[in-house]
Amino acid sequence: SQQGEEDPQALSIQEGENATMNCSYKTSINNLQWYRQNSGRGLVHLILIRSNEREKHSGRLRVTLDTSKKSSSLLITASRAADTASYFCATRNTNAGKSTFGDGTTLTVKP
Amino acid sequence: GAVVSQHPSWVICKSGTSVKIECRSLDFQATTMFWYRQFPKQSLMLMATSNEGSKATYEQGVEKDKFLINHASLTLSTLTVTSAHPEDSSFYICSAVGPPTSGSYEQYFGPGTRLTVT
Repeated sequence: SQQGEEDPQALSIQEGENATMNCSYKTSINNLQWYRQNSGRGLVHLILIRSNEREKHSGRLRVTLDTSKKSSSLLITASRAADTASYFCATRNTNAGKSTFGDGTTLTVKP
Repeated sequence: GAVVSQHPSWVICKSGTSVKIECRSLDFQATTMFWYRQFPKQSLMLMATSNEGSKATYEQGVEKDKFLINHASLTLSTLTVTSAHPEDSSFYICSAVGPPTSGSYEQYFGPGTRLTVT
């Protein structure tokens, strides 16, 4: 079974609004990564956050990690129509080990 | 950044035939590569871990005789779907573990191969 669960499964917002997606996992991790996938395409790596980190930023993206709650969130600020995609979290329990993916959140940003 | 390619990007084959998918790390060496499968509107499911020079490690429920993996060099891993059936139709994605950056090993994903078995 998948390590991670994401919510919401689907999110629809207007351009300019913020989008928040959450990911929960079950076992201890070394790091957690967020990926984006456009329909029918491969994955684009967004951010990697290590287990000893609590927050990371990259442009309009903000990722938090709460290892006590085994959860992470991805915030996209000032969303654009081009942000429409599926977003997945993936956990690794070793630094270079396999990634286990969450179920994903489908984000639709309406222009 | 590091680039991983896959070939072919899409393939249609007849039931009962075999299909080989290649995964290459273009500008780095990867001792470890992973193969994932993704069905429509679902997440990625890990099929196997491919280690250069040794046998692949398959996840529970994945038939190793049906999905043959060969990691013969540090830049190439291949997945062969043998005796393909329509239920094998899926999006197959590989990833390669890149060199460490700031102490972390990122996984770089290929663009995926869409397999349709008729």
